Amino acid sequence: DIQMTQSPSSVSASVGDRVTITCRASQASSNWLVWYQLKPAKAPRLLISGATTLQTGVPSRFSGSGYGTEFILTISSLQPEDFATYYCQQANSFPLTFGGGTKVEVK
Amino acid sequence: QVTLRESGPALVRPTQTLTLTCTFSGFSLSTSGVCVNWIRQPPGKALEWLARIDWDDDKYYSASLETRLTISKDTSKDQVVLTMTNMDPVDTATYYCARMFTPSGYYFDSWGQGTLVTVSS
Repeated sequence: DIQMTQSPSSVSASVGDRVTITCRASQASSNWLVWYQLKPAKAPRLLISGATTLQTGVPSRFSGSGYGTEFILTISSLQPEDFATYYCQQANSFPLTFGGGTKVEVK
Repeated sequence: QVTLRESGPALVRPTQTLTLTCTFSGFSLSTSGVCVNWIRQPPGKALEWLARIDWDDDKYYSASLETRLTISKDTSKDQVVLTMTNMDPVDTATYYCARMFTPSGYYFDSWGQGTLVTVSS
C-alpha cells in the first residue's frame, strides 16, 4: 500500500495568512494526488485533482503543486471559511490511501 | 446536482452486523465508469477507504476488512448497501459514501455528509 504522510498535523493561522500543507507519498504516484476539505457535519469537498487541477467552484486562492512523491497545497490568503481539515489522497492505485490530515485552526 | 446520503443505525452492539445504505441522486450507477465507494473516519483519525462497487457490478474491498464487508447495489432504487459483520468498538467512525468516475481518476468527486456509527454495549 502507498503510505501518505501529511505535515503539519495542525497549523494556527490568521485570516489573510498564506498556508502551505505538504503531503509525501511512500512511492511515486506521478500526479495522481487529490486534496479534500473536511468540515464537521458537512460533506467533504474535493478541491484539487491531478495534483494541480482546481475543481469547478473552488476559489483561486487554493493551489496545488508537486509530482512524484512530494505535493503541496497552498492557500494564498486564508479566509474565514477555510478553517477546516485538509486531507491528501493518492489516486494512483488501490487501496486508495489518505494522509493523516492537517487541521487549519484560528490563531 | 449530485447528492449522496448515508443512512443506518447510530448505535450498534459489539458482534452485531452493521448495514448502511447510500441513497444517491443526480447520476446513475448504470453509467459506464461510475462507481460508489464507502470511506470511514474514526474520531480523531484519518480517512480509510473501505469498498467500491462499479457500474458493471465489479466489487473491491479493503484487504484488511475484506472478510467482514459486503457491498451491493440496487440500481432501480439508486442505492448502495454496505454490510460489515462482527462489529467492534474500534469500528466506531463516521461512514461516508462517495462517487467516483473512474475515467477521470481514482478519487471521490461527490460525498455524502456521513453517518456516525458508535459500537458499544
